[in-house]
Amino acid sequence: NAGVTQTPKFQVLKTGQSMTLQCAQDMNHEYMSWYRQDPGMGLRLIHYSVGAGITDQGEVPNGYNVSRSTTEDFPLRLLSAAPSQTSVYFCASSIRGMAQYFGPGTRLLVL
Amino acid sequence: GESVGLHLPTLSVQEGDNSIINCAYSNSASDYFIWYKQESGKGPQFIIDIRSNMDKRQGQRVTVLLNKTVKHLSLQIAATQPGDSAVYFCAENMITGNQFYFGTGTSLTVIP
Repeated sequence: NAGVTQTPKFQVLKTGQSMTLQCAQDMNHEYMSWYRQDPGMGLRLIHYSVGAGITDQGEVPNGYNVSRSTTEDFPLRLLSAAPSQTSVYFCASSIRGMAQYFGPGTRLLVL
Repeated sequence: GESVGLHLPTLSVQEGDNSIINCAYSNSASDYFIWYKQESGKGPQFIIDIRSNMDKRQGQRVTVLLNKTVKHLSLQIAATQPGDSAVYFCAENMITGNQFYFGTGTSLTVIP
C-alpha cells in the first residue's frame, strides 16, 4: 500500500492564482481531511469528509473548496491564492474514530 | 473551541535517558487520544493511542498515560535514541465526533 499520497510536494503561486492540491489514499478509509500547519501553531483542520459525496468545514475553511467524488481522492482547491495561505498542507485519512494517517505534505508559497 | 496544549515547547535529553512529554486537554468529553511524531520535512506519524477507558497503554519503548481527573496526557519514551529527535504532538477526539484537535507540539532533541 502506498498509504496517503499528496501532489505536488512544493508549489509557488502568485496572488490570485488558483490551484488544486491532490490527495489520494489506497486504504479504503472513509474519513479524509485536510490540515494546514503554520509555525508555532498546531495542525488546523480546513475541511473533512466522512465518505464519498459528503464534505464539511473545519476550523479554517475560508478560501478553500473540497469535493469527494470517490473514496480514494480528496482534492483541495485554492480559489484565489493569498499570501496568508502560505503554509504546509497535510492530507490525512482514517477509519472513522481511529488514528489518522498523514501524507508527506505540500509546501505552498504564495507571493 | 476546544484546545489541546503542551506544557513544554522544547525538551533536550541525553541519549539513553527516558523522555517525558506532557499534554493538557480541555474537553472533558474527549475520549480518544493520540500521540504523533513529526520529523523535519515529513508528515505526522502515528505513535500510540489510548481511549478514555484506560489510564495506561504501552508500546515498543513508548508508554502513554492518561489522567482524566486533571485532563492530562503524557508520552514516555524509554532509552531515548537520536532517531527519536522530532516534534511530538498530542491530539484529542470524541469517538462520536469527526474532528481531531492538535496541540502545538514539543520539540525533542536527543544529545548523543
